[in-house]
Amino acid sequence: DTGVSQDPRHKITKRGQNVTFRCDPISEHNRLYWYRQTLGQGPEFLTYFQNEAQLEKSRLLSDRFSAERPKGSFSTLEIQRTEQGDSAMYLCASSIGTPARYGYTFGSGTRLTVV
Amino acid sequence: SQQGEEDPQALSIQEGENATMNCSYKTSINNLQWYRQNSGRGLVHLILIRSNEREKHSGRLRVTLDTSKKSSSLLITASRAADTASYFCATDEAQKLVFGQGTRLTINP
Repeated sequence: DTGVSQDPRHKITKRGQNVTFRCDPISEHNRLYWYRQTLGQGPEFLTYFQNEAQLEKSRLLSDRFSAERPKGSFSTLEIQRTEQGDSAMYLCASSIGTPARYGYTFGSGTRLTVV
Repeated sequence: SQQGEEDPQALSIQEGENATMNCSYKTSINNLQWYRQNSGRGLVHLILIRSNEREKHSGRLRVTLDTSKKSSSLLITASRAADTASYFCATDEAQKLVFGQGTRLTINP
């Protein structure tokens, strides 16, 4: 499979629990991005990595959110003490260098529901 | 922040008709990209138009860019049921893409 993979596809959790999502980008892509998308809205930027370095974090990424890309390959996004407002689709995308050249390849997303 | 704004927010047409979606943005850009999203799925890159280009074609897609008006349009000709999806424009901003809110397109058989 040469696409971007995200796991799990769906996650239902109780408020206050911690959740972790995984993203496996296209192997040649050195950049990895996380976005959040709520119903009827466009994707909102959360953070991105170039190789293993996290280069930018949105102010949307509160202290409860943390992302890692330990070896410059896969990435994880963890949400601690989940709140109902965290319910959304979490999208991962990868690119070769700046997306201004070739755009993103997205995964299918992880749908999080906090009950 | 969302740089682009698509118009209309929703569009419903008959199969075989053409569909036109518009995107306006606020700041200067290097390029503008269009993506499609089927319900519950990730986004798929459709086409990229650079700031020095005015028009670009890809199959049944035609994209125009007017940098003086800070606007772009996406035309889908001879629409099919499979074109039913949400369409987003995106502009590059500081090493990342910023997306609009999208146009929800429905093709009726």
